[in-house]
Amino acid sequence: GAGVSQSPSNKVTEKGKDVELRCDPISGHTALYWYRQSLGQGLEFLIYFQGNSAPDKSGLPSDRFSAERTGGSVSTLTIQRTQQEDSAVYLCASSPRTGDYTFGSGTRLTVV
Amino acid sequence: AQSVTQLGSHVSVSEGALVLLRCNYSSSVPPYLFWYVQYPNQGLQLLLKYTTGATLVKGINGFEAEFKKSETSFHLTKPSAHMSDAAEYFCAVTYSSASKIIFGSGTRLSIRP
Repeated sequence: GAGVSQSPSNKVTEKGKDVELRCDPISGHTALYWYRQSLGQGLEFLIYFQGNSAPDKSGLPSDRFSAERTGGSVSTLTIQRTQQEDSAVYLCASSPRTGDYTFGSGTRLTVV
Repeated sequence: AQSVTQLGSHVSVSEGALVLLRCNYSSSVPPYLFWYVQYPNQGLQLLLKYTTGATLVKGINGFEAEFKKSETSFHLTKPSAHMSDAAEYFCAVTYSSASKIIFGSGTRLSIRP
């Protein structure tokens, strides 16, 4: 596609429920990144994929967070047993090997 | 370890005045440096980047930044601010094209009429 697509754009969920956030990177981009942006704060790195493997998942906050990437394309970030502190905007970015990062518009997650 | 420090969480300038947003980085290897802009309720948009070569980098919307290795800085400037420049600006660093980007905490730019 022309850009990085994230869905849903907004998600409201009840505390304790599981959520899945989707990222469709730009076609041909080998690298994919997930970040979290909490209200009034900077961007917190979560996980990075090169192809289907995740060489750096050091930013995942807890074992409730997991992510996968299939076919070197779409990625899904899953948050299990959501907590209120998980409320944030989750941003995805993709990059070819030359290092031009393109961000999606994000998924705004609200846990009530 | 890499890190980025943005001095000033909020900067306010008058329309037409010089914009200067400060960024200092720490990297043990030659860095790739970026400035991104985020308008309200939108994703991040790349303003400009430095990888190698010319240390003065020009970006979109009249912004530019200069990589100064001796000062470990990558400050963002624009000669004359427009109202439309009001946004959050993030400085970022990485050390290769296939590594995670480390972001600064952001600077909110306000423009006074």
